[in-house]
Amino acid sequence: DVKVTQSSRYLVKRTGEKVFLECVQDMDHENMFWYRQDPGLGLRLIYFSYDVKMKEKGDIPEGYSVSREKKERFSLILESASTNQTSMYLCASSPPASTEAFFGQGTRLTVV
Amino acid sequence: AQSVTQLGSHVSVSEGALVLLRCNYSSSVPPYLFWYVQYPNQGLQLLLKYTSAATLVKGINGFEAEFKKSETSFHLTKPSAHMSDAAEYFCAVRPGYSSASKIIFGSGTRLSIRP
Repeated sequence: DVKVTQSSRYLVKRTGEKVFLECVQDMDHENMFWYRQDPGLGLRLIYFSYDVKMKEKGDIPEGYSVSREKKERFSLILESASTNQTSMYLCASSPPASTEAFFGQGTRLTVV
Repeated sequence: AQSVTQLGSHVSVSEGALVLLRCNYSSSVPPYLFWYVQYPNQGLQLLLKYTSAATLVKGINGFEAEFKKSETSFHLTKPSAHMSDAAEYFCAVRPGYSSASKIIFGSGTRLSIRP
């Protein structure tokens, strides 16, 4: 079974803090994704990586950055957390197109 | 560019009734299409996928979906709803031309089942 592991289920951070959300997958997938999920808005793509050190902006990249130094790990960085970044964050990975993405359990981030 | 529209943010049906969740997509290239389900406090789980083979796709838990190119639709159905089907359902699209492609999701439909 594919396993996508997000480092935390729940996080509480203060406004202005630098926040790291970590995601690790164990299936040697090339593609990895970060989404945020908000009620009524579904999943919105923040960033996408199709290989080590390669990244592409999604629909809502403002206020976020990413790092992919190793194939199995994809980190989402909030440079200076703000209250409007309070959300559920979902990481996913997939092999090359023609198959689905596999999701982690999500990290619920609260910025106070 | 790709996009997905899910009609109806909330659908409520009686146990045993037909479930119909609507999804329309936009894609400039032949798409791959997916339906995912999310139970409370969990990640997303794949229900079924269309990848240019048969247009009628069967998935887990008795769900199926039909790809209709002329209508740009990929509606999800189940003949008889069960209480355990209560969850949020997401339709997603991915361009089928590249090994490095984004997956775009709709806004989701919450399915409630009445006893």
